[in-house]
Amino acid sequence: DGGITQSPKYLFRKEGQNVTLSCEQNLNHDAMYWYRQDPGQGLRLIYYSQIVNDFQKGDIAEGYSVSREKKESFPLTVTSAQKNPTAFYLCASSIPPPGMANQPQHFGDGTRLSIL
Amino acid sequence: AQSVTQPDIHITVSEGASLELRCNYSYGATPYLFWYVQSPGQGLQLLLKYFSGDTLVQGIKGFEAEFKRSQSSFNLRKPSVHWSDAAEYFCAVGPWFGNEKLTFGTGTRLTIIP
Repeated sequence: DGGITQSPKYLFRKEGQNVTLSCEQNLNHDAMYWYRQDPGQGLRLIYYSQIVNDFQKGDIAEGYSVSREKKESFPLTVTSAQKNPTAFYLCASSIPPPGMANQPQHFGDGTRLSIL
Repeated sequence: AQSVTQPDIHITVSEGASLELRCNYSYGATPYLFWYVQSPGQGLQLLLKYFSGDTLVQGIKGFEAEFKRSQSSFNLRKPSVHWSDAAEYFCAVGPWFGNEKLTFGTGTRLTIIP
């Protein structure tokens, strides 16, 4: 079955450490997104990528980095510069490339990141 | 700037009762509207979407939503809730074209009592 796989489901980070969250999709979607979810704040966009080798900052990109070397993969690195990284991170994807009619986003099951 | 307001943080209803979750949006053009549902520790699942046409849209799990342009609203309804409907519900707004970002509301948590 096609879908979005996020790994790991739970992740722990020590102070000063970078960690990378994995997001893989086999839906052949062009666009991919990373969101951060905190209680009572809904979803906030961190980064998004409309095509391979291109990505844009979202609303809260500081302290995060991404890459999009392959269509199916969009890893998110939470750097030591992100001072409050504890949150639930969701990856999503959608079909169309830029300039085409929008389509709903499909979501993975998330990664919960905690600080040790 | 686009925005979504879900005024109810938490709603409790009895099983079998009707449900309405409110969503108000602000958007500079004709919006593309969505309702998603999230079970604890899970990702978001699309319930329904409104793009154009009939302003009453049907979704999965017996949910429906009505787009009211004059009120900038897109409220979600279900005539009779089931215990399995307990979850968090998110409304989102975005553009018709391209992959510009969606804006999500802060969510409404639904509790079902027997």
